[in-house]
Amino acid sequence: DGGITQSPKYLFRKEGQNVTLSCEQNLNHDAMYWYRQDPGQGLRLIYYSQIVNDFQKGDIAEGYSVSREKKESFPLTVTSAQKNPTAFYLCASSSTGLAGPFQETQYFGPGTRLLVL
Amino acid sequence: AQSVTQPDIHITVSEGASLELRCNYSYGATPYLFWYVQSPGQGLQLLLKYFSGDTLVQGIKGFEAEFKRSQSSFNLRKPSVHWSDAAEYFCAVGAKAAGNKLTFGGGTRVLVKP
Repeated sequence: DGGITQSPKYLFRKEGQNVTLSCEQNLNHDAMYWYRQDPGQGLRLIYYSQIVNDFQKGDIAEGYSVSREKKESFPLTVTSAQKNPTAFYLCASSSTGLAGPFQETQYFGPGTRLLVL
Repeated sequence: AQSVTQPDIHITVSEGASLELRCNYSYGATPYLFWYVQSPGQGLQLLLKYFSGDTLVQGIKGFEAEFKRSQSSFNLRKPSVHWSDAAEYFCAVGAKAAGNKLTFGGGTRVLVKP
C-alpha cells in the first residue's frame, strides 16, 4: 500500500528537550511538507522540501529543524527553542519537483500529536 | 501573498439536508484550489481540486465545488448530507509563483443532526 506514515501517534516532550517526529512516504514523491495545526487556525507551513538535500522555511519555522537526506524521509525536530510546541503535526507529500510540471495535490499522513509535560 | 478565508467556523445541518461551505481566497493570478476533509485526530483527505477548465468540479463522497473568479470564491456543496459527513473541512489555495506552497483557511466544522 502506498502512503505516508508518521510516528509516533502521540509524543510527550519535557522542558528543554528536543524531540523528532518521523515522516516516511513510499509514493515516490519529490516534495514533502510539515504543517502545524492548532484549533481554529487551520494548517500553517513549518518547512518544505522539493528535492533531496534541499529544504526551505515555511511561515513558522522558528524553533524547528528538518533534514532531507533520503527521498522517502523528512523528519522534523522540535527544538527547545519552540516555546509552545503543543499541537497536531501533519506531514504531506506531492509529486512536485523543481523541474517537473506543477502538481500541487498534497497527500497527508495521519499526524502526530505533541504534548508538553 | 495568498490568503484563504472560511467565514463559518461551525455549521450544523440535519441529515438529508443540503450543505454549502464558503471559501474566499485572495491571490493575484489564477489560483489552484482544493478542499480537504479531516475526521477527528486524523490526517487530511482530498475531496476535490480545481486547476483550470470547467469551473464546476466534482469530487469524492458526492461533493462538488464551483470556482467563481468574479467573487474570488470556491464554495463546497453537497445536496444531501449523511451522518458520516460530520468532520472539519479545509479550503486551500496553491500557486506555482509562491513556491508551490499551499495556504489553508481556518476550517469549518460540520455537525450533522439526526
